[in-house]
Formats: sequence, C-alpha cells, structure tokens
Amino acid sequence: SQQGEEDPQALSIQEGENATMNCSYKTSINNLQWYRQNSGRGLVHLILIRSNEREKHSGRLRVTLDTSKKSSSLLITASRAADTASYFCATDIRASGTYKYIFGTGTRLKVLA
Amino acid sequence: GAGVSQSPSNKVTEKGKDVELRCDPISGHTALYWYRQSLGQGLEFLIYFQGNSAPDKSGLPSDRFSAERTGGSVSTLTIQRTQQEDSAVYLCASSTTGRGGYTFGSGTRLTVV
Repeated sequence: SQQGEEDPQALSIQEGENATMNCSYKTSINNLQWYRQNSGRGLVHLILIRSNEREKHSGRLRVTLDTSKKSSSLLITASRAADTASYFCATDIRASGTYKYIFGTGTRLKVLA
Repeated sequence: GAGVSQSPSNKVTEKGKDVELRCDPISGHTALYWYRQSLGQGLEFLIYFQGNSAPDKSGLPSDRFSAERTGGSVSTLTIQRTQQEDSAVYLCASSTTGRGGYTFGSGTRLTVV
C-alpha cells in the first residue's frame, strides 16, 4: 500500500481562492516533500519540510507537518489558473536505511479562471 | 547538462520485445531514481542508485526489469519480454545526495501493443 495518501483526490476552485491539500503517511519519516506535475510528465519539486519542522513557506505555498498525526498539508493561496496540476507528497521512510521517497497518489487541482 | 534528460520520450513496442530506457542525470548528482507512473496514478518506486553503493532494487516488479548505472552517471532501465501491463510513463530523477529535492526528467512514455 502507499506510504502517502493525498486528500482530496480532486479539487476544483475558482481563481483567487485558496487550495488546501492533505497528505497522510504511515511510518516515521525524515523528510516530506511536495511536488507538482503538469500534463502527466516530469514533476517539479516545490518544498521540503524536515521532521523537526512544523511549517514552511515558499511564495504562495505554505506547508505544515504534524508528525504526531502523520500528516501534512499544502496550502496554495490566491490560486491562479496556472496552478492547475496534480500535486504529490513524497516521504522517505526513516527505517528504510536508504533515501528513497515514496509518493502518494496525488491530488488533481483545477483552478477555474 | 542543465536538467535530467530521458530518451526516448515516447516508445511503442510489440509485446515480447525488449526495450531500453535511458536517463542522463544532472552532472554531479550522486543519487538517481527510477519511478513508474501508470495513467492517472501515483509514482511507483522502481530502483535507486547512490554513488558506488549497491543499488536498492526493492521496487522492481519482476526479474524482467533491470537497471544499471555506468560510471556513476548515465543509467539504463531495461525491460525484457515486455507485457501490456508495462505500459506507463517511466520517470527518472536525480539528486545531489538523495536527502533533498529531486530533479525529474520529462519521462519516457512506453506503450506495449
């Protein structure tokens, strides 16, 4: 089964609104990352948050991490049509001994102009 | 190069044929990953190379799949006796150490007919 699961699977909002996506995972992690994917091809790294961090910001992006609940959220503020994409969380499993990231199933975001 | 380069970008092959997919990572990146993504799905980890260490092959779905990384740089993913269920986008990513963000290539879309 997937280490990370995003919620919701799909989200449709109006331009200017905020979009919130959630990620839950099962085992203890070192880091958690969020990626964006356009058109089903290469992914773009958005932000990395370490297990000892609770919140990080990057431009219009805000990521939170709650290790007690094994969950993270990605907030995109003042969304734009160009934010339309799939968003994935990825976690590296602390006990695995290797730095491989396991990706969730993604949230498909559609921002309507 | 400036980014991760994958070739070919698209490959159509007949069932039972062997295929080779190539990944040229960012110069100096010691970590290299292969993932597979079926239509509308998340990323499935296949294999991870880190420097001169033995690769983590735990994600390879069957013994028809193999990968090598020559000289710590270019990697080739080989699928022998392709099956229709092998149809997917194969994504390669590289990272400086494996602990940070990945840079993904644009992927190879493999279609087995």
